[in-house]
Amino acid sequence: KNQVEQSPQSLIILEGKNCTLQCNYTVSPFSNLRWYKQDTGRGPVSLTIMTFSENTKSNGRYTATLDADTKQSSLHITASQLSDSASYICVVSDMTTDSWGKFQFGAGTQVVVTP
Amino acid sequence: DTGVSQDPRHKITKRGQNVTFRCDPISEHNRLYWYRQTLGQGPEFLTYFQNEAQLEKSRLLSDRFSAERPKGSFSTLEIQRTEQGDSAMYLCASSFHRGYMNTEAFFGQGTRLTVV
Repeated sequence: KNQVEQSPQSLIILEGKNCTLQCNYTVSPFSNLRWYKQDTGRGPVSLTIMTFSENTKSNGRYTATLDADTKQSSLHITASQLSDSASYICVVSDMTTDSWGKFQFGAGTQVVVTP
Repeated sequence: DTGVSQDPRHKITKRGQNVTFRCDPISEHNRLYWYRQTLGQGPEFLTYFQNEAQLEKSRLLSDRFSAERPKGSFSTLEIQRTEQGDSAMYLCASSFHRGYMNTEAFFGQGTRLTVV
């Protein structure tokens, strides 16, 4: 069973609107959580990274939150633009390894921004 | 250095043929990772190298798959006797690791493999 679950699987929003993506994880002991943006046919690009002591981090119009107690994270996109259309992937690592090979990837949320 | 580079970007092959992909990591990065990603899914770990040593392989990496990083710089991933189930995006990533210092991993653009 995947230790990182993302919701919704996909969503469609109007340009200029806000949206929030969810990531729930069971990875333990938790080390850090990353959000990636992946455009169609391209590799993922890092948006934010948070450790257990951080509960919010922003990167432009992207704001990630983390609740390490409930093992939940969200990614909020403000004033969406057409270029935000992409898959957003949540990646969680645990403290027992520094190897990316052991990081747990979510399946991603596919966001489509329409004019 | 503009980042992680993968070649080719797209590959269409007939079932049963062998294919080889290349990844050039960011030059100072000593770790290199291979992932496979199918439509609608997140990347799945295949294998990774530290310098030229292959440190870990996923059980997803069947005997038909082999990866090398002979000089600790670029890496190749070969798939022998391709099957339709091998159709996927193959992603490479690299990072720098020394003791407790680890940089973020950066991904390449991927190689899209279609087996017909």
